[in-house]
Amino acid sequence: SQKIEQNSEALNIQEGKTATLTCNYTNYSPAYLQWYRQDPGRGPVFLLLIRENEKEKRKERLKVTFDTTLKQSLFHITASQPADSATYLCALLDQAGTALIFGKGTTLSVSS
Amino acid sequence: GAGVSQSPSNKVTEKGKDVELRCDPISGHTALYWYRQRLGQGLEFLIYFQGNSAPDKSGLPSDRFSAERTGESVSTLTIQRTQQEDSAVYLCASSPYTGETQYFGPGTRLLVL
Repeated sequence: SQKIEQNSEALNIQEGKTATLTCNYTNYSPAYLQWYRQDPGRGPVFLLLIRENEKEKRKERLKVTFDTTLKQSLFHITASQPADSATYLCALLDQAGTALIFGKGTTLSVSS
Repeated sequence: GAGVSQSPSNKVTEKGKDVELRCDPISGHTALYWYRQRLGQGLEFLIYFQGNSAPDKSGLPSDRFSAERTGESVSTLTIQRTQQEDSAVYLCASSPYTGETQYFGPGTRLLVL
């Protein structure tokens, strides 16, 4: 079955630096991969979707890459701010194409 | 428009009691999902509804868990004879179509004493 691993449970960086979060999957390559943000006590919020035929996607200070050879997606936040502190979840479609499988998330802390 | 809403926001119950959790999806969204998130853990898929098709119940952890959805509207997740390990946040999400971006509700925090 598909497994998703996000590089670390916690990542601490200084304001202004670029945060890079990693998502690795083990089995089939999904048609697309999504990234969500989750704040404490709240449900996840969709950030970006990248399809298997796209290598890179950008949205404001966010950038996502998708390498189906490495079975990996990288999520970058440039010029990070304390307000970016949250848990970031990687999710991909299951093989049936119905449900999303979520990673456990990486908790990012940006200090000023 | 309104997002996904869930009720109650918090529920404290005694072991052995039944609980019912409610989800109101975004209007027009055909797909609806329930997830469970234990403290410090990732999201665990429970069940999925798509229109009038038979639901995908493959994630339900035991027969104490069941869910219903009427058409493309409200869904209820029922947990019978609750156990302490059922304590978690139960999240509902809806999407316009199967496999699309999911929009999550705020969750119901269930504590079983």
